[in-house]
Order: sequence, then C-alpha cells, then structure tokens
Amino acid sequence: SAVISQKPSRDICQRGTSLTIQCQVDSQVTMMFWYRQQPGQSLTLIATANQGSEATYESGFVIDKFPISRPNLTFSTLTVSNMSPEDSSIYLCSVEGGGSGDTQYFGPGTRLTVL
Amino acid sequence: AQSVTQPDIHITVSEGASLELRCNYSYGATPYLFWYVQSPGQGLQLLLKYFSGDTLVQGIKGFEAEFKRSQSSFNLRKPSVHWSDAAEYFCAVENQGGKLIFGQGTELSVKP
Repeated sequence: SAVISQKPSRDICQRGTSLTIQCQVDSQVTMMFWYRQQPGQSLTLIATANQGSEATYESGFVIDKFPISRPNLTFSTLTVSNMSPEDSSIYLCSVEGGGSGDTQYFGPGTRLTVL
Repeated sequence: AQSVTQPDIHITVSEGASLELRCNYSYGATPYLFWYVQSPGQGLQLLLKYFSGDTLVQGIKGFEAEFKRSQSSFNLRKPSVHWSDAAEYFCAVENQGGKLIFGQGTELSVKP
C-alpha cells in the first residue's frame, strides 16, 4: 500500500485565519480525497482532488471555504479558509489507485483546533 | 441512498474474549465493503475488505468479517481480543462513484 504523509500533524489557529494542509504520497495514485472528522463523529467526504482540474465537492462543502489543489499525481493541499471554532476537526486525506489498487488508504490526519 | 449502520456505539469486552462488531449496509448493487480501525490520535488503518468471492474474508491483526447478502451485513469478528485492540472501528461501503460511505463507528474498550 501507499505511504501517505500529512503536514502539519496538528495545529491551533485563531478564528478568521486560514490553514493549508499538505498530503504527500510515495507513489503515483489515481484518486485523492479529503475527509473531515468532527469531534466524536464519523468521516465525511469533503471533495475529490482532481489532478490538473478543479476539485469535485460534496454537498455542503464549497470551494471558497475549502480550496483544494492537486498539481501532480502524488501531492494535494486542502486549505481551510476563514476558520471558525466549528472547523475544529481532524482532516484526513486518502488515496486510491496506482500503487494502492482499488482500496482507499488514509493518511495520519491533521488535528485542527480553532480558538 | 447508500448508507451504513453500526448499531453499537460503544462495546466493552474482556481481554481474551471474543468480539463481534455489527455492520449493516444499504446498497442496491453488489457492495465493496471495508473495515477500518482508528487508534486514538491516529489515522485510519485498513483491516480488511470484501469485493467478491469468498464471503468470509481474513484481515490483519487476526480479524475476519463475513458478508451476508441476505442480511445486508458485514460483521467483524475476532476470536480473542487483546488490550491493544481498543480503538474506534469503522465500517464503510464504496458506491459506484468510488466514494466511501462510513458508518458512525463503534468504540471498543478492552477490560483487563
């Protein structure tokens, strides 16, 4: 399976600021996804990061709030913009395809706290 | 719409006892099914998956799961639980768009 890293692993941010989370994979993959896990909750898909084109967002998530980039087949970023305490969550990237086959594998997550 | 239900929010078992975590899904076609585990402060680790074929699938760490189409279930089992198995367990189904739909999770506590 692919080895996935995320930066930062955790952060504490002030309300109104933005944070960019990076996801790096050690091999080329077809699909990259971003999930949010609110405290005590399950995972919710934010968007699919498409290489070379705009991300595909799920209902309830918009590009202005969660801009995503995917410049190549091994790297993606998620920005959480104009943060509020409600954005405090764990953000996880996952990958599928290429070296990962037909299964989604997850990064270690970024734990975000917004004050 | 596709959905996954994990009826048990929290389960406590004694170390060495057997374990079964329940998962029911709603999906029109043949499902791709997964179990992931999340240890405190960690990301998700894949335990096992079912795509087709043998309905009893073996995973890592001594876990297995059985796909029962007639019951729309994919329950996770382990014959003897270890203290290190204490974690959150998530069942998921992959829809035709390749997106994972997760259950609410079951938190497992292990008593010494």
